[in-house]
Amino acid sequence: DQQVKQNSPSLSVQEGRISILNCDYTNSMFDYFLWYKKYPAEGPTFLISISSIKDKNEDGRFTVFLNKSAKHLSLHIVPSQPGDSAVYFCAASASNTGNQFYFGTGTSLTVIP
Amino acid sequence: GAGVSQSPSNKVTEKGKDVELRCDPISGHTALYWYRQRLGQGLEFLIYFQGNSAPDKSGLPSDRFSAERTGESVSTLTIQRTQQEDSAVYLCASSPRTAYNSPLHFGNGTRLTVT
Repeated sequence: DQQVKQNSPSLSVQEGRISILNCDYTNSMFDYFLWYKKYPAEGPTFLISISSIKDKNEDGRFTVFLNKSAKHLSLHIVPSQPGDSAVYFCAASASNTGNQFYFGTGTSLTVIP
Repeated sequence: GAGVSQSPSNKVTEKGKDVELRCDPISGHTALYWYRQRLGQGLEFLIYFQGNSAPDKSGLPSDRFSAERTGESVSTLTIQRTQQEDSAVYLCASSPRTAYNSPLHFGNGTRLTVT
């Protein structure tokens, strides 16, 4: 049972525009959410996170928004750059899940120069 | 500093053979995780170590899979009698502390192909 879902397998955006990647989850006990970025032949690298006590966290060009009532989070990248082209994974965890992180299936972002 | 190191980077094996995958975590990281990613799918949790013990083995797909960690450092994931459905990228990750809100640092993975 997929507890974290990324329903868009791919997304293409023009350079300079905003990229919006979406993620939905089903487990209301999740209270920590992360985004990872993955280039081909490399492992995922941590990008940004948000705790459930917040609804927004910003780090440079990257902002994560959390809507707990909708069990939805999104990652905004603005302005998008060609180097942002990668697969983005959403992940979630909860203090009572034994330190396990649940990952989505990923969204492949292509930023067109 | 050095990141998480996994070896081999690629492994091709015949169905029925045993394989061992190695992970060297970041020095001092207490927590160590194994995940796998099958083609077109997300990351699937396999097992987690806190120090040398494994409080959560719930993700191991079958008794053909086992893992150990020694010296709160190196970990090996062993797959016995490999099957074609075991083909995947096996990812190891470590974290400085065992907490649900401590992001994971991943290695580049071992791509396992069972023919």
